[in-house]
Amino acid sequence: ETGVTQTPRHLVMGMTNKKSLKCEQHLGHNAMYWYKQSAKKPLELMFVYSLEERVENNSVPSRFSPECPNSSHLFLHLHTLQPEDSALYLCASSQGFGTGIQETQYFGPGTRLLVL
Amino acid sequence: AQTVTQSQPEMSVQEAETVTLSCTYDTSENNYYLFWYKQPPSRQMILVIRQEAYKQQNATENRFSVNFQKAAKSFSLKISDSQLGDTAMYFCAFKAPNNAGNMLTFGGGTRLMVKP
Repeated sequence: ETGVTQTPRHLVMGMTNKKSLKCEQHLGHNAMYWYKQSAKKPLELMFVYSLEERVENNSVPSRFSPECPNSSHLFLHLHTLQPEDSALYLCASSQGFGTGIQETQYFGPGTRLLVL
Repeated sequence: AQTVTQSQPEMSVQEAETVTLSCTYDTSENNYYLFWYKQPPSRQMILVIRQEAYKQQNATENRFSVNFQKAAKSFSLKISDSQLGDTAMYFCAFKAPNNAGNMLTFGGGTRLMVKP
């Protein structure tokens, strides 16, 4: 499945570093999502963008800053993270942001982040 | 708020056998959508099957089928003729059609091991 790609696949960073995660979708979708997957916890939705406009910010700390320059690209800028932010960060996209079954979300392979 | 429960943290099955993964959910909605996602060791979250609550017929996708019991709020996944490549985490997810964020609520996952 190469419809949604994420880079880098693995990232190790110190607490004072600034880094960015990138997501790109090749499906012609209009909505994109960031999720956090920690060990032994259900997936947590972080941000949702629809037509490049943020429509959901799920009480995420400001050290995570999303950016959606166009409908195909989504970034997650990271700054002064904490060790507890270590997790798998998954990007997803959907055709739209509506209420139908066609809004099924398709996921990328994720970025494994380790904060030292 | 909706909740999704997967009561089996881990399961195993012999290759070529059949296994059923359970999922229950809690909602006051009458119409909604249910999904099963598979996450193999590569960490890519892959859509396996989806069901619309207003459809009484159970969804099937090749070796994968669901047993959707709306009154019992149960949505189990049956994998027939299990293959080694089915080894993965399986997540059940719920989406209400009238929520503003096209948000999925995920269960905690079931780790399935297919043994040769």
